[in-house]
Amino acid sequence: DIQLTQSPSFLSASVGDRVTITCRASQGISSYLAWYQQKPGKAPKLLIYAASTLESGVPSRFSGSGSGTEFTLTISSLQPEDFATYFCQQLNNIPLTFGQGTRLEIK
Amino acid sequence: EVQVVESGGGLVQPGGSLRLSCVGSGFSFNDNYIDWVRQAPGQGLDWVGRIRNKAKSYTTDYAASVKGRFTLSRDDSQNSVYLQMNSLKTEDTALYYCSRAPASYGRSVDWGQGTQVTVSS
Repeated sequence: DIQLTQSPSFLSASVGDRVTITCRASQGISSYLAWYQQKPGKAPKLLIYAASTLESGVPSRFSGSGSGTEFTLTISSLQPEDFATYFCQQLNNIPLTFGQGTRLEIK
Repeated sequence: EVQVVESGGGLVQPGGSLRLSCVGSGFSFNDNYIDWVRQAPGQGLDWVGRIRNKAKSYTTDYAASVKGRFTLSRDDSQNSVYLQMNSLKTEDTALYYCSRAPASYGRSVDWGQGTQVTVSS
């Protein structure tokens, strides 16, 4: 199975900050990576797929990059509604796997 | 409006069975794959399985932890997917989500709100 390791697991930041979350795969997955946002008590929401393609309706302050084994999710200027948990998911191999999550909290 | 709705969760004893349903609307159900993902309380996301579309012969895949115990099926005439869960274990306790996954890339675009499965004596 492909393991995904996100860093950091916890991030404290302020409104307006630029933040970056990293997702590392245990083996190459080309660009078959998606990012999701989850708020407490809610279902995950797709933000980015194919490593860098922004899902329709997602604000442009979110961006993704990377290929192979290292990927990043960047939020260019944090808004109050962005404080949530973020997960990466690899779509290259069965079983599909998720990273452990990064909890983003208000400083 | 695209909607995905899960149902069928509940409390069941270890060793018991449960059948979850996932109904989709507002999109071409028969073109899409359907994934199931679960989340134990306070934990991360855990992929359970996938059922593909007719073009892919309705093939299925499962996580190792549920293979041989869980079975996916679908009825495109009812826009429905079913997750039959047998030999349930306490570690299967979680909120179960289904999601629409377009065949072109397989990411989970639309998610339901989940149905709670609790396995306890």
